[in-house]
Amino acid sequence: QSALTQPPSASGSPGQSVTISCTGTSSDIGSYKWVSWYQCRPGKAPKLIIFEVSERPSGVPDRFSGSKSGNTASLTVSGLQSEDEADYYCCSHAGYNNHVIFGGGTKLTVL
Amino acid sequence: EVNLLESGGALVQSGGSLRLSCAASGFTFSISAMAWVRQAPGKGLEWVSSISASGGSTKYADSVKGRFTISRDNSKNTLFIQINNLRAADTAVYYCAKEAWGERFDSWGQGTLVTVSS
Repeated sequence: QSALTQPPSASGSPGQSVTISCTGTSSDIGSYKWVSWYQCRPGKAPKLIIFEVSERPSGVPDRFSGSKSGNTASLTVSGLQSEDEADYYCCSHAGYNNHVIFGGGTKLTVL
Repeated sequence: EVNLLESGGALVQSGGSLRLSCAASGFTFSISAMAWVRQAPGKGLEWVSSISASGGSTKYADSVKGRFTISRDNSKNTLFIQINNLRAADTAVYYCAKEAWGERFDSWGQGTLVTVSS
């Protein structure tokens, strides 16, 4: 199966908001609430920041929010901080083969 | 605090085999589904395999099916993955992850590096 489609890069200045898209199909994102987002920083373990489209684990700042419309999920980071600079990956259940599929990742740069 | 510690990564020749382990602590391992996710150098995350809490249900990505076998020992709080017939494309950092409801990976280890040489 093909990876979910994310823009390779995104950027914003401190304090601004940035939205990262994740496009799938009607057989994955479009049909399931099981969409999650992960933050990956060099040398650190990946971190879950959004699950079930828009839920935040405890400890994740409310600057991070998620949404979904049709076959596209989105991650919005508001009030950008330098520590938000990282790679972000979306993830979804794939109903056609009961597998899990990740996006290609988006490198977020805080200018 | 959840702690996942992978081990077993190595430099292996193409066609070789390897067994990775993940020692878990800080949560009730025996009631938690688990997974392996990998990241090739310069590439994105790729889900590899998942296993149910009891070990009775497993699933694999198409890219590894037939070559990889996931298993667990709930008496030792340890997750395993046996990797056979290694290919250059299997070169990656392999992460162990705790899988919660809705296929969310809510805790991750630091990863172990597998390098396949031709």
